[in-house]
Amino acid sequence: ETGVTQSPTHLIKTRGQQVTLRCSSQSGHNTVSWYQQALGQGPQFIFQYYREEENGRGNFPPRFSGLQFPNYSSELNVNALELDDSALYLCASSSSGIKVPDTQYFGPGTRLTVL
Amino acid sequence: KNEVEQSPQNLTAQEGEFITINCSYSVGISALHWLQQHPGGGIVSLFMLSSGKKKHGRLIATINIQEKHSSLHITASHPRDSAVYICAVTGTYKYIFGTGTRLKVLA
Repeated sequence: ETGVTQSPTHLIKTRGQQVTLRCSSQSGHNTVSWYQQALGQGPQFIFQYYREEENGRGNFPPRFSGLQFPNYSSELNVNALELDDSALYLCASSSSGIKVPDTQYFGPGTRLTVL
Repeated sequence: KNEVEQSPQNLTAQEGEFITINCSYSVGISALHWLQQHPGGGIVSLFMLSSGKKKHGRLIATINIQEKHSSLHITASHPRDSAVYICAVTGTYKYIFGTGTRLKVLA
């Protein structure tokens, strides 16, 4: 059984560019959540996908968007990058769906630097 | 005020000491989670609690639902326990995280 993987591990972009981050969920998991963690802070919820549908969204602007694919892997897209988007982006997968609290399994994260 | 508050923010201990990290929350929850984050970012889930107490090796987690408070205890601490410990709560589908407690255990 493979764990949650994310790619790339590190990324440097400039303001105004667009970025796509990828996440492969743990085998058997149908739910993926994305979090943004600024330096020295706790992660902040961006959104969650359950069976290819967005299930919930945190306080992030529409330029943060996502997708979940039939194999339950997921992408996070950020358009018009700003300096404050520099952070560690974490994805987490779980198998419980949307109604039941469950342990989420985290990937190693993608560190995005916006210059 | 954050919905999930942790204390202390930073903690330095000597090897072998008993360590307690506290978490208070102000929202209704269905579960509380304790997580460990090592330098470099990876997060590992330690416990999920909805009541009472859980123990795993040298780690013990307790929760008091009425007081909206949880504690994570580490017995016989070791330098490899050095990490950031994060408390998170779940209502329905998302985690709400505390800012973490940075623990350093000295040999």
